[in-house]
Amino acid sequence: KQEVTQIPAALSVPEGENLVLNCSFTDSAIYNLQWFRQDPGKGLTSLLLIQSSQREQTSGRLNASLDKSSGRSTLYIAASQPGDSATYLCAGSIDYKLSFGAGTTVTVRA
Amino acid sequence: DGGITQSPKYLFRKEGQNVTLSCEQNLNHDAMYWYRQDPGQGLRLIYYSQIVNDFQKGDIAEGYSVSREKKESFPLTVTSAQKNPTAFYLCASSPGQGPYEQYFGPGTRLTVT
Repeated sequence: KQEVTQIPAALSVPEGENLVLNCSFTDSAIYNLQWFRQDPGKGLTSLLLIQSSQREQTSGRLNASLDKSSGRSTLYIAASQPGDSATYLCAGSIDYKLSFGAGTTVTVRA
Repeated sequence: DGGITQSPKYLFRKEGQNVTLSCEQNLNHDAMYWYRQDPGQGLRLIYYSQIVNDFQKGDIAEGYSVSREKKESFPLTVTSAQKNPTAFYLCASSPGQGPYEQYFGPGTRLTVT
C-alpha cells in the first residue's frame, strides 16, 4: 500500500520568501504525483500533475519535481504572498487510486 | 461552467439515521470517487466507480454505500453502521481509467450527534 508523508505539518514564512514543500512516498511504481491546495473548509484545487515519465512540472510561480528512485516530490513556490496561505497536499497514484499525505499548512506573513 | 457540485454544504443528522450525500459532475468524466477527510489526516478513499453501474470499495468502505446509475451522478449513503461518520466528505472525478488528474468538488461537512 502506498504511504505518503509530508513534513513539516506546518510552516510559517515572511512574504517574499521561497517555499519548499516536501512529499515522500514508499512505492516507486507510482503512475503520477499530484499537488493540491486546500483552503479552510473548501475542496481541493489541483495545482500540478507530474506523470511518472516526467521529472518536473511548472505553472507560474509553482514548480514541482518528482524523483521516483528516492521516493520524493518537492513543490517550490517562488516569492510567496499572503494569498499562498493554505494547506498543500500531495497524492501519489497507483492504479486508479490516489494515496494522500496529511498536508503541510503554510502561513505567509505580510 | 464545467465542474463538480456537492450538496448540501453542511449536513446535520442524529445518530442512527442514514444520510445521502449528493455528487454531480458535468465534465463528462467516466470515473468518480468519494473520499473522507478528518482533521490532521490525509484523504481516505471510500468508494470509486470507473463506469456506470460498476463501483469498487476503497480503503474504508464499511458503513457506506454508493450507486452509479448515471454517468453524472455518484451519491454516497452514510449508514447507521458507520461508527464515526462526522467528517468532511469530498467527491472527485477523472476522465477515465488510468493515471488521470482528479478534480474535486467543494465538499460536504457531515455532523452526526
